Amino acid sequence: DTGVSQDPRHKITKRGQNVTFRCDPISEHNRLYWYRQTLGQGPEFLTYFQNEAQLEKSRLLSDRFSAERPKGSFSTLEIQRTEQGDSAMYLCASSSLGGSSYNEQFFGPGTRLTVL
Amino acid sequence: SQQGEEDPQALSIQEGENATMNCSYKTSINNLQWYRQNSGRGLVHLILIRSNEREKHSGRLRVTLDTSKKSSSLLITASRAADTASYFCATDAAAGNKLTFGGGTRVLVKP
Repeated sequence: DTGVSQDPRHKITKRGQNVTFRCDPISEHNRLYWYRQTLGQGPEFLTYFQNEAQLEKSRLLSDRFSAERPKGSFSTLEIQRTEQGDSAMYLCASSSLGGSSYNEQFFGPGTRLTVL
Repeated sequence: SQQGEEDPQALSIQEGENATMNCSYKTSINNLQWYRQNSGRGLVHLILIRSNEREKHSGRLRVTLDTSKKSSSLLITASRAADTASYFCATDAAAGNKLTFGGGTRVLVKP
């Protein structure tokens, strides 16, 4: 399967702990996006990368959230000092800018975070 | 904040019937995309329509776009139980940038 993969699929943590999620995009895609989705809502944009450059991070929810894509391939999203309000599904997507794809974003299965 | 608003929020139909849902948005767009999400799963891309297009088809799906009214519709014809899912519209204001999603329409297709 050459789709977007995310790891772990589920994470349960205690309040105050740090968590890190990984996303592996479709290999030829140069753009990678992170979204957060709470129950009953549509996904909410967090940040995105073109290759290794983080082009927008203003929507990261607080300074406890950070994302990296060090080699322009996989990306990590870290949440420090988790709070119960961080419980959500964290979705990763990738796209290939240019050509005929016109920014179709392909999503991974998500990481469901539960903060106790 | 969410730009797109789907209507209705929920829809229940019998297998074989058509399902129509609408999406309204607020600002200019480069393209609009529709996604499907089964309960607790990731999003599946259904169709992308560019701002200079008015209608697009893919299998049993038909999407329209009216940029003057800032609205789009998704029609699923001859629905099947497997079409039961949440459907989201998402707008892309500048190709390649972030998508802004609506709250979704939850569709239940009864066998």
